[in-house]
Parts: sequence; C-alpha cells; structure tokens
Amino acid sequence: DIQMTQSPSSLSASVGDRVTITCRASQSISSHLNWYQQKPGKAPKLLIYAASSLQSGVPLRFSGSGSGTEFTLTISSLQREDFATYYCQQSYTAYTFGQGTKLEIK
Amino acid sequence: EVQLVESGGGLIQPGGSLRLSCAASGLTVSSSYMSWVRQAPGKGLERVSITYSDGTTFYADSVKGRFTISRDNSKNTLYLQMNSLRAEDTAVYYCARDRNTKIAVAEYWYFDLWGRGTLVTVSS
Repeated sequence: DIQMTQSPSSLSASVGDRVTITCRASQSISSHLNWYQQKPGKAPKLLIYAASSLQSGVPLRFSGSGSGTEFTLTISSLQREDFATYYCQQSYTAYTFGQGTKLEIK
Repeated sequence: EVQLVESGGGLIQPGGSLRLSCAASGLTVSSSYMSWVRQAPGKGLERVSITYSDGTTFYADSVKGRFTISRDNSKNTLYLQMNSLRAEDTAVYYCARDRNTKIAVAEYWYFDLWGRGTLVTVSS
C-alpha cells in the first residue's frame, strides 16, 4: 500500500495568514493527489483534485501543487471558515488518505 | 439537488450484523462508481469498499470476507452488509461518489460527493 504522510499534524494560525500543508507519498503517485477539508461532524469536502485543479465552487485562496512524492496545499489568506482538518488522498492505486492536519485558530 | 443520505447505523454487539443504506438523489447509482468510506472516532479516513458501474467490487483487507457492497438500481440505493462486526469497525460510515476527470492522457479520480454519514458502534 502507498502510505501518505502529512505535516504538520496540527497548526495554529491567524485570520489572514498564509498557510501551507505538506503531503508526502511513500512512492511516486504522479499527480494523483486530492485534498479534502473536513469540519467537525461533517463529511469531507473536495477542495483540490489532480494535485492542482480547484474543485468548482472552492475559493481561489486554496491552491495545490506538487507531483511525484511531494505535494502542498496552500491557503493564501486564512478566513475564519477555513479552520478545519485537511486530508490528502492518493488515487494512483487503490485509495489511501493522509492522517490529517488540524488547522486551529491562534 | 444531488445528495446521498446514509442510514442503518447503530449500536451492535461484537459478532453481529448490520446493513447500511445510502439513498441517492440527483444521480444514478447504477451508472456511478460508489464507495463506502469510514472514519473511526478521532481518526482518519479509510475506504472500505467500492462498486464500479459494471458491478465489479473491491474491499479493503480489513473488511474482506465480512462486508459486502451492493446496490438496488430500482431504489437508486447503495448498501453495505456488515457481518462478524468487531470493535475496530466502530466508525462513521460515509457513502461517496467516485468521479474522474481526464487531463491530457491521464484520468484522475476523486470523491466529489459525500453523504453525511451514519455511526456504527460495535460494543458489548
């Protein structure tokens, strides 16, 4: 199985900050990498697919980059509604998720 | 409105069985790739099963031989039959639609639609 490792596991930031979350794959997955946002008690929501493609309706402050084994999710200017847990997921072979990054208000 | 609504969760003793349902509206289950994804309390996400539009199914090793995914096209509903339940099966179970987008020569897959989930608790 392909292992996905996110860093950091948790992050404190302020409204307006620029935030970057990293996801590393245990082997190359090309650009088969997705990012989801999950708020407490809710289902995950797709933000980015194919490493850098923004899902329809997702604000432009979210962006993704990377290929191979290293990927990043960037939020350019944090809004209050962005405080949540973020998961990466590879779809290169089977599906596996990272362990999550909890983004909290500083 | 396109939506998925899960039901059927609850408290069940170890070794017991439970069937989860996922009623779809605004999409056709029979022509979609549909998955069950679970999340143990305070933990990450794990896809446990998928059914493809041709009826092919796949199971995670953790549930193989115990869980069965199926669908009723007349009811536009996805199911997950869970047998021989264990404490480690305790989780919120989500149904989700797999979608793909073709970019250049590659197809990229992702979950674009999720239900709200149903909680399964396995405990004596």
